[in-house]
Amino acid sequence: DARVTQTPRHKVTEMGQEVTMRCQPILGHNTVFWYRQTMMQGLELLAYFRNRAPLDDSGMPKDRFSAEMPDATLATLKIQPSEPRDSAVYFCASGLTGGDGYTFGSGTRLTVV
Amino acid sequence: DQQVKQNSPSLSVQEGRISILNCDYTNSMFDYFLWYKKYPAEGPTFLISISSIKDKNEDGRFTVFLNKSAKHLSLHIVPSQPGDSAVYFCAALYSGTYKYIFGTGTRLKVLA
Repeated sequence: DARVTQTPRHKVTEMGQEVTMRCQPILGHNTVFWYRQTMMQGLELLAYFRNRAPLDDSGMPKDRFSAEMPDATLATLKIQPSEPRDSAVYFCASGLTGGDGYTFGSGTRLTVV
Repeated sequence: DQQVKQNSPSLSVQEGRISILNCDYTNSMFDYFLWYKKYPAEGPTFLISISSIKDKNEDGRFTVFLNKSAKHLSLHIVPSQPGDSAVYFCAALYSGTYKYIFGTGTRLKVLA
């Protein structure tokens, strides 16, 4: 049963610290997304990649967030420095271009204190 | 600017009855729509989709209706079951971008 794996599942950090979240997309999927779930905005798109190339990161605060895909098996989302307002659940999803529905990971719950 | 809106944050329905979840969108360029279901501590899972060339798509107990002129879609669950209790997100897609824009979700509670 193919799945998208996200690590860590939970992260508590102090304001100002660097946070790195990792995602292993499903093998063979060529599109990877990062979403953030908040109560007010629902699922916000932060960034997405197709064939490892970043296509859109307009949803990310550029001064502190960065997203990369160093290889086809790993996507990372980094926050530096982290702030309390970054506290949320961050989801990674992968799929095939033109496919019906993307597969989400279980998320990383980030708490910045 | 919320392009996809789910105006009901929560909904309670008796087991066996119909659940109707609604979603409105503002951008006429959207041409593909999906519903996702999310349980606590899990990621959203794909439920059902509909293309803008259709007005209805059915899969078992789940039916999605699309009214393009009103920019409105709805998800019907018949009959509702306690296991359907979850948060439901609608999403819209720009053709060619494969970028889903999600609504804020509706929490459905099916009462036994």
